[in-house]
Amino acid sequence: GAVVSQHPSRVICKSGTSVKIECRSLDFQATTMFWYRQFPKQSLMLMATSNEGSKATYEQGVEKDKFLINHASLTLSTLTVTSAHPEDSSFYICSAEIGRGRDEQFFGPGTRLTVL
Amino acid sequence: QKEVEQNSGPLSVPEGAIASLNCTYSDRVSQSFFWYRQYSGKSPELIMSIYSNGDKEDGRFTAQLNKASQYVSLLIRDSQPSDSATYLCAVTHTGNQFYFGTGTSLTVIP
Repeated sequence: GAVVSQHPSRVICKSGTSVKIECRSLDFQATTMFWYRQFPKQSLMLMATSNEGSKATYEQGVEKDKFLINHASLTLSTLTVTSAHPEDSSFYICSAEIGRGRDEQFFGPGTRLTVL
Repeated sequence: QKEVEQNSGPLSVPEGAIASLNCTYSDRVSQSFFWYRQYSGKSPELIMSIYSNGDKEDGRFTAQLNKASQYVSLLIRDSQPSDSATYLCAVTHTGNQFYFGTGTSLTVIP
């Protein structure tokens, strides 16, 4: 149980294009999902908290107009990196909270984004 | 002061030994504590969660929590080369935001 998938696992795009990353909870409903970014040899950095049916809460310094988050259902959250630049190249990881009194977060496998 | 602090390592132990990983946190009202394992290029994987003072054992892993001293540790018995990874400590306060440490790199030497 508590499986989280992400798609795509790897994407290479040109500078200026937009990239959408999907995060799905496969065997549970997640009212809350989280988006993290991780640069090489650094720790996870929380970008935003996504709640189903409401606007995401962004961490300080994360541009909400650049990183669009949509949590349309209890099993799906999407992150769209708009007008991507090389400095956006990173490992993007989503996680989902299982809820129902349990506060563990389960992580998706991550999406490696390379912007040329 | 960072919310969660870990020694970045690298920590090296011989195969079969006990690996001891430590984590301290700053906020006394922290409620939930987690250990994640992250292999290079992969996403974190939950190993243990602990909520009350004392020890919690799961197979070769033991988590220890001491709220008075504000630390949580992870012991790995009979360490295997496959345990070589970065171990992340995470702490939550009220609400559901996780605070992650920077991780400790563990290498188990065959």
